[in-house]
Amino acid sequence: AQSVTQLDSQVPVFEEAPVELRCNYSSSVSVYLFWYVQYPNQGLQLLLKYLSGSTLVESINGFEAEFNKSQTSFHLRKPSVHISDTAEYFCAAYNQAGTALIFGKGTTLSVSS
Amino acid sequence: DAGITQSPRHKVTETGTPVTLRCHQTENHRYMYWYRQDPGHGLRLIHYSYGVKDTDKGEVSDGYSVSRSKTEDFLLTLESATSSQTSVYFCAIRADRGRAGELFFGEGSRLTVL
Repeated sequence: AQSVTQLDSQVPVFEEAPVELRCNYSSSVSVYLFWYVQYPNQGLQLLLKYLSGSTLVESINGFEAEFNKSQTSFHLRKPSVHISDTAEYFCAAYNQAGTALIFGKGTTLSVSS
Repeated sequence: DAGITQSPRHKVTETGTPVTLRCHQTENHRYMYWYRQDPGHGLRLIHYSYGVKDTDKGEVSDGYSVSRSKTEDFLLTLESATSSQTSVYFCAIRADRGRAGELFFGEGSRLTVL
């Protein structure tokens, strides 16, 4: 079974609409969870991460994600998206040994006006 | 700037030829990784290193080898390139201090095998 599952491969939304990108993880990975963003023709950069503590984590550009242990989920949300949020988003988790980061297949967020 | 560079950034080669991609870091971090990115597959781990001469396989290691003879360089070699290895290859380093657990990525190396 896939260790990190992103449930939507593509999410099209209109500007200023809310968005949720869904991510579930399996018991084969740790609960050190990350969201990375990749803008067109660029490398990946960290958006936010959960290591411990508060289950709600926020990024500097308005995204937030909530760690839900009972649902084994780490969904990413933003209440109002901008055109500039158009990118590919990757959910990731460390393996149980804590040596390697395992990625989901990615979700392409397309924001239109 | 995480101090990570990949070379070459673009390469076109023919089936059966050897190819080496280089990842160089200036931060002296212990862990380094090679991933490949393909549409519909996300990022898949090829190999990683946790120190000089210490490496381990990832999910898609067949057809690839790596070497790390010094802390700052992590080389990925395709001994005999195949068309299925056409991909974008990303190197990453893992923060040892401060931003623990976070990976910093290079800008990628686009490899086309004809």
